[in-house]
Amino acid sequence: DSGVTQTPKHLITATGQRVTLRCSPRSGDLSVYWYQQSLDQGLQFLIHYYNGEERAKGNILERFSAQQFPDLHSELNLSSLELGDSALYFCASSPWTGRNEQFFGPGTRLTVL
Amino acid sequence: AQTVTQSQPEMSVQEAETVTLSCTYDTSESDYYLFWYKQPPSRQMILVIRQEAYKQQNATENRFSVNFQKAAKSFSLKISDSQLGDAAMYFCAYKVSGGGADGLTFGKGTHLIIQP
Repeated sequence: DSGVTQTPKHLITATGQRVTLRCSPRSGDLSVYWYQQSLDQGLQFLIHYYNGEERAKGNILERFSAQQFPDLHSELNLSSLELGDSALYFCASSPWTGRNEQFFGPGTRLTVL
Repeated sequence: AQTVTQSQPEMSVQEAETVTLSCTYDTSESDYYLFWYKQPPSRQMILVIRQEAYKQQNATENRFSVNFQKAAKSFSLKISDSQLGDAAMYFCAYKVSGGGADGLTFGKGTHLIIQP
């Protein structure tokens, strides 16, 4: 158990819908990273938040957004969902941006029908 | 842009034997970190080992060790005394150092099969 929690474990929705994925980092970790794992694209970095502020964007679509709250939990919002958004979404936490180890949550499996 | 290449989509090894998984990367940075992550069928991503580019000594964690060749941009993982529980996807990953905010760049993965 990495200490990072993600909810829900599974999510099934329809095209065009909007969903929110939630992540709670390890106690004391200030950084939260979001990743997408799909058969087509492999593991891709989406976005990084540090202590409530956005720090870096990777291959994140404009339909996707994220935020990190004062209690350090983070949410990834996916809107106007398409079939191709079906994937496993991971969040990972790290103590601070200078420390490079990232500890992954169990992931949320998103299925778009 | 940094890229990570794992040229072996699948590897098979007999239980108790030694296996080496290959990884090469491309970067113009001089200070960075390299990682191996394990993803068993549960899909959980588990950190196996970490290497700082400025360290010449190869990292070791119990049965897992790396062969880091900075000039060749090569970072292989050796698993000694393979166990059935080692069966998983293994991902090589790169991250620039210096407090960089970017996330990890992953390779496509190697599926490791352990033959009993």
